[in-house]
Amino acid sequence: AQTVTQSQPEMSVQEAETVTLSCTYDTSESDYYLFWYKQPPSRQMILVIRQEAYKQQNATENRFSVNFQKAAKSFSLKISDSQLGDAAMYFCAYRSAMEGYQKVTFGTGTKLQVIP
Amino acid sequence: DSGVTQTPKHLITATGQRVTLRCSPRSGDLSVYWYQQSLDQGLQFLIQYYNGEERAKGNILERFSAQQFPDLHSELNLSSLELGDSALYFCASTSGGAGELFFGEGSRLTVL
Repeated sequence: AQTVTQSQPEMSVQEAETVTLSCTYDTSESDYYLFWYKQPPSRQMILVIRQEAYKQQNATENRFSVNFQKAAKSFSLKISDSQLGDAAMYFCAYRSAMEGYQKVTFGTGTKLQVIP
Repeated sequence: DSGVTQTPKHLITATGQRVTLRCSPRSGDLSVYWYQQSLDQGLQFLIQYYNGEERAKGNILERFSAQQFPDLHSELNLSSLELGDSALYFCASTSGGAGELFFGEGSRLTVL
């Protein structure tokens, strides 16, 4: 079974600085998808960024980028120029690409505090 | 707005009771997922349906059941409720393939 591990329960960053959130996963599959979701205090789940395992290029969405290391099974999220609105819980998620099996597994989350 | 609609948004009930949570997926999405999130916890996968059929099952209690109807909406039934069932229940849908999950706003269940 796939597992997703986020080893940092809480992180803090100064406004305008850069922070990296860690995520590792365990799988025997070669094709899969990885996601980072943000959950602000409103509790709404918002997709931040997505990575397809077959793509070597790291995904980027504005101030958010990932460092995807397939061999190491690592998928970290870098937030540049942190803003107060980035304060939230961040969840890493894994989804199999296997046809007919689409369970999505989430990590336990990292609570990010942004200090003004 | 994710396009996924969950009702009710809030529900307060007593131990031993039964409730039904409803989810309408995004237009065109065939797959529906249910997750449970207890206070300050992560998301626990409960169950997934694809076009009316159960596709994956997680840590769903026997007191809980779900189904997806021909119009693709889904319902999660929680019975013999216990205090520990108090949580935020999310529904999410996807079109499959490389698509991400789109989440509803959740149904907050409080069991007193």
